[in-house]
Amino acid sequence: GEDVEQSLFLSVREGDSSVINCTYTDSSSTYLYWYKQEPGAGLQLLTYIFSNMDMKQDQRLTVLLNKKDKHLSLRIADTQTGDSAIYFCAEYPGGGNKLTFGTGTQLKVEL
Amino acid sequence: DTGVSQDPRHKITKRGQNVTFRCDPISEHNRLYWYRQTLGQGPEFLTYFQNEAQLEKSRLLSDRFSAERPKGSFSTLEIQRTEQGDSAMYLCASSLGSGSVYEQYFGPGTRLTVT
Repeated sequence: GEDVEQSLFLSVREGDSSVINCTYTDSSSTYLYWYKQEPGAGLQLLTYIFSNMDMKQDQRLTVLLNKKDKHLSLRIADTQTGDSAIYFCAEYPGGGNKLTFGTGTQLKVEL
Repeated sequence: DTGVSQDPRHKITKRGQNVTFRCDPISEHNRLYWYRQTLGQGPEFLTYFQNEAQLEKSRLLSDRFSAERPKGSFSTLEIQRTEQGDSAMYLCASSLGSGSVYEQYFGPGTRLTVT
């Protein structure tokens, strides 16, 4: 199967780090993604990681990939109120054309 | 480059009516995708075009749904005889055909409400 699982909700204080987790099941996935969706809007591509990497850093974002456990995480440093949104992880299986998304994690940043 | 655009942004229709949505991809992208997103869920793949050819369709795409991309640029998604279960956000995405096929960029979506 191609189920991608995420926890539904995360609340953090402004300035703290946020860690959003994702578990995927398709071991053939070549790329894994993080998208951000603000209310009523489409999806914004934040970052992605190739399956032969175990870490990628992009400014405040750090992606960690554990292929053995099929676990992906997104760390947001110095979380701001503008980071409040739903975050989706997604996988792109080798040979396929579609992205398979998780159910999303709603991040709430409190003052 | 203005990104992926979709029209309309919102559509309210009565059950049984037909609706058509349009997607304009990023200009140099030759791959175009349609996804559907229901409340509280992640997007689900519907169909995919490379240029004007429709190369993959999900089993979610019933016979009432049809998608076209006649000149390999914009695409339309038509739903015939709409049902209340069709209420969802319909998202379009595009990507380059080589080198960066894995980077899919999404439009703002068309929110459909069937009453």
